[in-house]
Amino acid sequence: KAGVTQTPRYLIKTRGQQVTLSCSPISGHRSVSWYQQTPGQGLQFLFEYFSETQRNKGNFPGRFSGRQFSNSRSEMNVSTLELGDSALYLCASSWDGGNTIYFGEGSWLTVV
Amino acid sequence: DAKTTQPPSMDCAEGRAANLPCNHSTISGNEYVYWYRQIHSQGPQYIIHGLKNNETNEMASLIITEDRKSSTLILPHATLRDTAVYYCTLNNAGNMLTFGGGTRLMVKP
Repeated sequence: KAGVTQTPRYLIKTRGQQVTLSCSPISGHRSVSWYQQTPGQGLQFLFEYFSETQRNKGNFPGRFSGRQFSNSRSEMNVSTLELGDSALYLCASSWDGGNTIYFGEGSWLTVV
Repeated sequence: DAKTTQPPSMDCAEGRAANLPCNHSTISGNEYVYWYRQIHSQGPQYIIHGLKNNETNEMASLIITEDRKSSTLILPHATLRDTAVYYCTLNNAGNMLTFGGGTRLMVKP
């Protein structure tokens, strides 16, 4: 059974640009959540989608957005990139609440 | 603010049991306790989770106190490959995990 797949694994962007990250959950999983990990702030929850609807949202500015498709695949977008957006972005999936939540290997974003 | 508190670091001798504590005194009735570990900034690896009963799987055991205000992750026979940062997190069944600083476990030969 394939795990959570995130693409791309590494990318470099310039300040002011925008970026889209993709996540394919484990087959059958309907919940997809996104996290940002930085050395200073640690692991922080961005948002969670379930059946194409945003169910939970963390404390991040509106530049961070996401969506989920009917096949449960998800994308997150960061617009007007800032240097502080450099981080490891992690996607996690589960069947539903209270079940095992599995993480992907993450997408490393560097903003220069 | 993080809802879990863990010691920042711990050492354990190879082959011995590693007992990692976690305090979550403000846990809500519907919040699960999840444990993950992370090695070299790879994606967090799921270890175990529970609501109120003790749990055991092939990786570890999870002991939750009766009042659910704290828990302990037990790695029964630690190996060098268990060296990692271990996170105790809470999940409100909306799959919104709240991470604290974690415990950096160093397994020594």
